[in-house]
Amino acid sequence: DSGVTQTPKHLITATGQRVTLRCSPRSGDLSVYWYQQSLDQGLQFLIQYYNGEERAKGNILERFSAQQFPDLHSELNLSSLELGDSALYFCASSHRGRNTEAFFGQGTRLTVV
Amino acid sequence: AQSVTQLGSHVSVSEGALVLLRCNYSSSVPPYLFWYVQYPNQGLQLLLKYTSAATLVKGINGFEAEFKKSETSFHLTKPSAHMSDAAEYFCAVSARNTDKLIFGTGTRLQVFP
Repeated sequence: DSGVTQTPKHLITATGQRVTLRCSPRSGDLSVYWYQQSLDQGLQFLIQYYNGEERAKGNILERFSAQQFPDLHSELNLSSLELGDSALYFCASSHRGRNTEAFFGQGTRLTVV
Repeated sequence: AQSVTQLGSHVSVSEGALVLLRCNYSSSVPPYLFWYVQYPNQGLQLLLKYTSAATLVKGINGFEAEFKKSETSFHLTKPSAHMSDAAEYFCAVSARNTDKLIFGTGTRLQVFP
């Protein structure tokens, strides 16, 4: 158990809908990262937050957004969903915002039908 | 820009045989390098990491990797495969001035009795 909690574990939704994925980092970790794992794109970095502020941005679509709350949990919002958004979404956390210390959650599997 | 190439999307070995998973990196600055393992329906677990200390890095579950700058390689090895090693393995790189991980496409390891 990495200590990073992601909910829900599975999500099935229809095209055009909006969903929210939630991540609780390890106790004391200030930084949260979001990654997408799909068959065609592999593992892609989406976005990083550190202590509530956006720190780095990767290949995140404009339809996607994220935030980190004062209690340090993070949410990834996916809107206007398309079939191609079906993927495994991982959250990782680290204490000082260094990827050398990042621990991954078990992921949320999103299926868009 | 950083990137990693994992040679061989599938590797099969017999139980007790040597495991060798190949990873070559490209980085314009001294990199950090990582190996992660993903078991079916699980998140990513860090096996080991190179952050410029010893070039031979020992990880969990008997795995190790050697950083070879001249060959831009960071291959993962284990002297004797066990059935429980069957999983997908990802090599990742990051530059020291960024926090995001760039992942390879993964290598699926099968272990036969």
